[in-house]
Amino acid sequence: DIQMTQSPSSLSASVGDRVTITCQASQDISNYLNWYQQKPGKAPKLLIYDASNLETGVPSRFSGSGSGTDFTFTISSLQPEDIATYYCQQYDNLPPWTFGQGTKVEIK
Amino acid sequence: QVQLVESGGGVVQPGGSLRLSCAASGFTFSSYGMHWVRQAPGKGLEWVAFIRYDGSNKYYADSVKGRFTISRDNSKNTLYLQMNSLRAEDTAVYYCAKDLRVVRGVIFHYWGQGTLVTVSS
Repeated sequence: DIQMTQSPSSLSASVGDRVTITCQASQDISNYLNWYQQKPGKAPKLLIYDASNLETGVPSRFSGSGSGTDFTFTISSLQPEDIATYYCQQYDNLPPWTFGQGTKVEIK
Repeated sequence: QVQLVESGGGVVQPGGSLRLSCAASGFTFSSYGMHWVRQAPGKGLEWVAFIRYDGSNKYYADSVKGRFTISRDNSKNTLYLQMNSLRAEDTAVYYCAKDLRVVRGVIFHYWGQGTLVTVSS
């Protein structure tokens, strides 16, 4: 199974700060990497797919990059409504399709 | 607009069974692969099961293989998860999710609101 190592597990930043989360796959997954946002008590929401494609309707302050084993998710200017837990997820050819452990983002 | 509405959760004793349903609307249900994803209380997300658009292929996480069965009724736009031999570690919110694309790629595009399954004596 492909393991996804996401870091940090939590972070605290100020409004307007640039926030970066990394996700490392245990083997090459090309660009088969997605990012989700989950607010407390809510279902996850797709933000980025195929490593760098912004889902329709998602603000442009969210972005993703990377390929192979190393991926980055960035919020260019943190907003109060971005408080949530963020997950990466890989979908290399065969199941299981696995998630990172999550990164909880808080406002300082 | 796409809607996925899960139902069927509840409290069940260890060793018991439960069937979850997910009613879909707002898209051509019979064209998309569908998944179940779960989240134990305070924990991360775990993919559970997948069914191809026509029901011809099914995949399961090792943690549920042999105990859970995913199925769909395209005439009723409904996805199911039959859960047998339930264990305490199956306690979680269960989400159904729709794939983004008709062909290749597991991208959980839309999610239901989730239904809570609690396995406890």
